[in-house]
Amino acid sequence: NAGVTQTPKFRVLKTGQSMTLLCAQDMNHEYMYWYRQDPGMGLRLIHYSVGEGTTAKGEVPDGYNVSRLKKQNFLLGLESAAPSQTSVYFCASSRGDLGNTIYFGEGSWLTVV
Amino acid sequence: RKEVEQDPGPFNVPEGATVAFNCTYSNSASQSFFWYRQDCRKEPKLLMSVYSSGNEDGRFTAQLNRASQYISLLIRDSKLSDSATYLCVVNTNAGKSTFGDGTTLTVKP
Repeated sequence: NAGVTQTPKFRVLKTGQSMTLLCAQDMNHEYMYWYRQDPGMGLRLIHYSVGEGTTAKGEVPDGYNVSRLKKQNFLLGLESAAPSQTSVYFCASSRGDLGNTIYFGEGSWLTVV
Repeated sequence: RKEVEQDPGPFNVPEGATVAFNCTYSNSASQSFFWYRQDCRKEPKLLMSVYSSGNEDGRFTAQLNRASQYISLLIRDSKLSDSATYLCVVNTNAGKSTFGDGTTLTVKP
């Protein structure tokens, strides 16, 4: 009963390093999303995908890239990490229809020093 | 102006109290509405959908007012375990989900 799984859960990066956050869902959902949430703040959409092979920019896409090579996976990349990217990152998925529930992963805590 | 706005609170209430949250949305094309709950350092989870005629789930009642473009969540007989942040979510007919920033509730003994 995995749902949405994110790896890694915690990571400390040095400024300028690169890394990839992995997200996998086992619900055969078309839509997948990456959000970031800063302390005491709301969710902000980074990028999303409406199906395998598609990606689109969200509210705060700068400094991030994504890929959806397989329907079940959505990868978020940081090419050159900056302290401003210190945040909690949530991956989510949904069927994509109007009445659908969005299911979230447990979050990935990223600190850039 | 944000597409979905909520009073951030915090709302501090005693156990047993009734508390209500409102959420306003700006896109008149919005088609479906939800309340999510987020506990501290956890992921958001669906609390309930909001239907046009209003709906109830135990101590929780959700209402939708399309004319005024707001939805509400009423919690009766508050429990300590209700302490969380409540997120309003609005979907447009394009399938886009927009989250409010959330309202924080603390229920005290």
